[in-house]
Amino acid sequence: GAVVSQHPSWVICKSGTSVKIECRSLDFQATTMFWYRQFPKQSLMLMATSNEGSKATYEQGVEKDKFLINHASLTLSTLTVTSAHPEDSSFYICSANPIGNQETQYFGPGTRLLVL
Amino acid sequence: GENVEQHPSTLSVQEGDSAVIKCTYSDSASNYFPWYKQELGKRPQLIIDIRSNVGEKKDQRIAVTLNKTAKHFSLHITETQPEDSAVYFCAARPNDYKLSFGAGTTVTVRA
Repeated sequence: GAVVSQHPSWVICKSGTSVKIECRSLDFQATTMFWYRQFPKQSLMLMATSNEGSKATYEQGVEKDKFLINHASLTLSTLTVTSAHPEDSSFYICSANPIGNQETQYFGPGTRLLVL
Repeated sequence: GENVEQHPSTLSVQEGDSAVIKCTYSDSASNYFPWYKQELGKRPQLIIDIRSNVGEKKDQRIAVTLNKTAKHFSLHITETQPEDSAVYFCAARPNDYKLSFGAGTTVTVRA
């Protein structure tokens, strides 16, 4: 149980284009999902907290107009990297808390983004 | 916000020996401390966690200890095996449900 999926698993795009990444909780509902970015050999850096039915909360230094988050249902959150540039190339990972369990975060498999 | 420091950054052990990773946290309100294992290119996987009302927890070869007074917690892996080789992250959670992660420890188990 507690499976989180992400799509796509990897994407290569040209500079200036937008990329949408989906995060789904497959066997549970989640009012809260989290989006992280991980550069090679570094830790997970929280970008934003996605709340179902309301606006996302962004961490300091993360541009909300560049990283658009939508949490339209209890099982789906999307992250759109707008006007992507090479420095946005990274491993993007989402996680989700099951309703009623605000402690345990289950992680998705991650999406590797390469911007050329 | 919460600041988590993790040491060492790399750890090489002989198969069968023990591995210990230590973390400290800054926010005394933190009450939940999970440990994640991440293999290269894969998702972080929860291996054990401890809450602030417990001082120690064990699950087979893995144990975690927590010292709230000193604000530090440690992961102990006994009888290490090659499949224990991975990056391990500690984390701490204050009251806002967000996890703050340590920088990670790359563990290599030599056969």
